[in-house]
Amino acid sequence: DAGITQSPRHKVTETGTPVTLRCHQTENHRYMYWYRQDPGHGLRLIHYSYGVKDTDKGEVSDGYSVSRSKTEDFLLTLESATSSQTSVYFCAISESGGQETQYFGPGTRLLVL
Amino acid sequence: QQQVKQSPQSLIVQKGGISIINCAYENTAFDYFPWYQQFPGKGPALLIAIRPDVSEKKEGRFTISFNKSAKQFSLHIMDSQPGDSATYFCAASISNFGNEKLTFGTGTRLTIIP
Repeated sequence: DAGITQSPRHKVTETGTPVTLRCHQTENHRYMYWYRQDPGHGLRLIHYSYGVKDTDKGEVSDGYSVSRSKTEDFLLTLESATSSQTSVYFCAISESGGQETQYFGPGTRLLVL
Repeated sequence: QQQVKQSPQSLIVQKGGISIINCAYENTAFDYFPWYQQFPGKGPALLIAIRPDVSEKKEGRFTISFNKSAKQFSLHIMDSQPGDSATYFCAASISNFGNEKLTFGTGTRLTIIP
């Protein structure tokens, strides 16, 4: 398995609180992605990064921000969590982006009450 | 708007049978079509992928069939086994100098029964 860890693996929080999810990789891959997975929607891209401090928006970026200060870490922040952000969040990495294989982490299950 | 439509939502196949999952797309600029497999509690993993310059790609029991004119592609699992029970996602992307973004279908939950 690709060396990808996500933390926390499970989190319950209340509406309006800030939440930060962390993705850590040991593969030194350049590209990192954050997806959310919801029934009936499949996987949807939130944000991605193509290098340290280089990020771009995905399909469903509203309400989310990201940061990448080191190659190995990619943080996803929900500034003020809402119930609609209850989901399973997956981080993925790719060596050179493009249409190379994306390797997914184990996921973080987030419940916003 | 869903750019990649996947069907069926769920599928039950007997052991040894053929499982078929279909995807359709609208954007003719898509030029890369992977399939991902996801087991419960795990992240998705790449299973097989195809580009539109070929009509079929086979890897073991897994085959992608691609119909460019119909804008459809499908995954065939031959001799389906209980270990194939998982959720399958089709996806598509457009070449963009490294910044390609995958658009996923909504997923198919496959159950193989003995």
